[in-house]
Amino acid sequence: QKEVEQNSGPLSVPEGAIASLNCTYSDRGSQSFFWYRQYSGKSPELIMFIYSNGDKEDGRFTAQLNKASQYVSLLIRDSQPSDSATYLCAGLKAAGNKLTFGGGTRVLVKP
Amino acid sequence: DADVTQTPRNRITKTGKRIMLECSQTKGHDRMYWYRQDPGLGLRLIYYSFDVKDINKGEISDGYSVSRQAQAKFSLSLESAIPNQTALYFCATSEGTERGYTFGSGTRLTVV
Repeated sequence: QKEVEQNSGPLSVPEGAIASLNCTYSDRGSQSFFWYRQYSGKSPELIMFIYSNGDKEDGRFTAQLNKASQYVSLLIRDSQPSDSATYLCAGLKAAGNKLTFGGGTRVLVKP
Repeated sequence: DADVTQTPRNRITKTGKRIMLECSQTKGHDRMYWYRQDPGLGLRLIYYSFDVKDINKGEISDGYSVSRQAQAKFSLSLESAIPNQTALYFCATSEGTERGYTFGSGTRLTVV
């Protein structure tokens, strides 16, 4: 079992709808979680990070963390075609400052 | 100029050849990392370094070596390239806080 699991997709979303991405992790030592967006052939870029249980909002993005269930999610509101990309979930352990990445979820926003 | 620069951007090499991928950064971060990315497998850690004298293996270090020449430079070498090392390679830096990494633009390596 991978430490961080994501559904590979593709997740197809109509323009203007909410895209919901999920991520589960197996290591309870992971304390912070990061969502990266990666366009094809490009480097990952940080969207947001979360380390407390609950919701964290930043513009059209909301990250949710539930440590009891070992579950992280990302909601993208008012999805735009420019949001079409692969979204990577990553967990950071308290010791070592190393990110462990999931395989990514491909999102397609259709006009 | 990019904060994290990787060279070359693309490289095709033959099986058995030695190749070096280079990474330099202007962010002043102590922590540097090398990851490879394969379709569907996300990013997997090859090696990481927390300062010039500190080098650590990641989850897939076999067949690779690294050199931290200075705080700003971290090179990845494939001593004898093989086809299953064909991948997209990323260098990343971190300031050691909970703010994640800054990635370079990547090196697409093809071993034929």
